[in-house]
Amino acid sequence: EAGVAQSPRYKIIEKRQSVAFWCNPISGHATLYWYQQILGQGPKLLIQFQNNGVVDDSQLPKDRFSAERLKGVDSTLKIQPAKLEDSAVYLCASSFGTQETQYFGPGTRLLVL
Amino acid sequence: AQKVTQAQTEISVVEKEDVTLDCVYETRDTTYYLFWYKQPPSGELVFLIRRNSFDEQNEISGRYSWNFQKSTSSFNFTITASQVVDSAVYFCALSEMSGNNNAGNMLTFGGGTRLMVKP
Repeated sequence: EAGVAQSPRYKIIEKRQSVAFWCNPISGHATLYWYQQILGQGPKLLIQFQNNGVVDDSQLPKDRFSAERLKGVDSTLKIQPAKLEDSAVYLCASSFGTQETQYFGPGTRLLVL
Repeated sequence: AQKVTQAQTEISVVEKEDVTLDCVYETRDTTYYLFWYKQPPSGELVFLIRRNSFDEQNEISGRYSWNFQKSTSSFNFTITASQVVDSAVYFCALSEMSGNNNAGNMLTFGGGTRLMVKP
């Protein structure tokens, strides 16, 4: 069974530029999550989708971050404009349901200069 | 509010030694899940175990074992006869099960413990 796919794996941009990350969850998983992991810390949830609806985006900095899952499968996370403090690994995870185990993708390492 | 503490930021052992990674959690819920994930240098979080709050039985899987004690709010992880391939950052995490079923399952992670196993 294929795992969670993410792209790109690495991205370097300058501050004030925009960037987008893509995630394809495990087939059949209805719930999708985006986490931000700053170096030396544990991941922190940004947003959770159930199918194509947002369940929890309370920790998403909505002035610059946006995410969508239009068809209930793939998801895109965007940052516009990026700040230096956005440098982190962005992890996507999926689960069969909201109470099931989350499985993570390889992450996208973002460096903002 | 839920919180997970991994007091050991870094542990270094020599191959074949046993090592225990500590995890202490805080939650007001009576029903919750506890997890351990492994993050090797490649960066992907690898699921190791999930335990619900009603099941305090210890679990063993090969060289890995977990000790869950509700009385001390701890969920410790032991690696027996460590190997170089065990070198990674290990995260303990908590998920509360109460409330809106659709909004559940937010994972709260500890800060992680970096384990270095030297040959």
